Amino acid sequence: AQTVTQSQPEMSVQEAETVTLSCTYDTSESDYYLFWYKQPPSRQMILVIRQEAYKQQNATENRFSVNFQKAAKSFSLKISDSQLGDAAMYFCAYRRGANKLIFGTGTLLAVQP
Amino acid sequence: EAQVTQNPRYLITVTGKKLTVTCSQNMNHEYMSWYRQDPGLGLRQIYYSMNVEVTDKGDVPEGYKVSRKEKRNFPLILESPSPNQTSLYFCASSSSGQFTGELFFGEGSRLTVL
Repeated sequence: AQTVTQSQPEMSVQEAETVTLSCTYDTSESDYYLFWYKQPPSRQMILVIRQEAYKQQNATENRFSVNFQKAAKSFSLKISDSQLGDAAMYFCAYRRGANKLIFGTGTLLAVQP
Repeated sequence: EAQVTQNPRYLITVTGKKLTVTCSQNMNHEYMSWYRQDPGLGLRQIYYSMNVEVTDKGDVPEGYKVSRKEKRNFPLILESPSPNQTSLYFCASSSSGQFTGELFFGEGSRLTVL
């Protein structure tokens, strides 16, 4: 069975600094998708970034980028130039096929002014 | 505006009193799903539906029912709620076919069972 592990329950970063959130997953499949979702205090789940496993190039969305290491089954999220609005719970998720996303337990990110 | 709408957003109920959480999407999505979110456990899938009249269990289906009579609606039914169903519930939808991954989520429904 596929699993997703986020080993950092909480992280903190200074405004304008860079922070990296870790995620590892376990799968025997070769074709799948990985995601980072952001959940601010409003509780809304917001897609931050998506990575297709067959693409070797790391995905980037403005200040957000990933370090995808397929052999190591690692999928970390880097947030550059952190802003107060980045404070949220971040979930890593895995999907293969149409049935469901498998979520990690989340990392709560605090941004210090 | 494309959205997934859940109701109610907040609900306090008592053990055994049947309740329904509604979910509606306006994006003509085939796929819909329910998740529950609990501290330290992330989001876990309860049920999902690939299309009208097609539903299947997720990882934690016990104590829940769903139906998919129309494409846009996917209600979650708790026939006899218990305190361990106190949770934050999310409905989500996506288009099917070649799956690109993004689920569109509702705003969540906070349920407390006393």
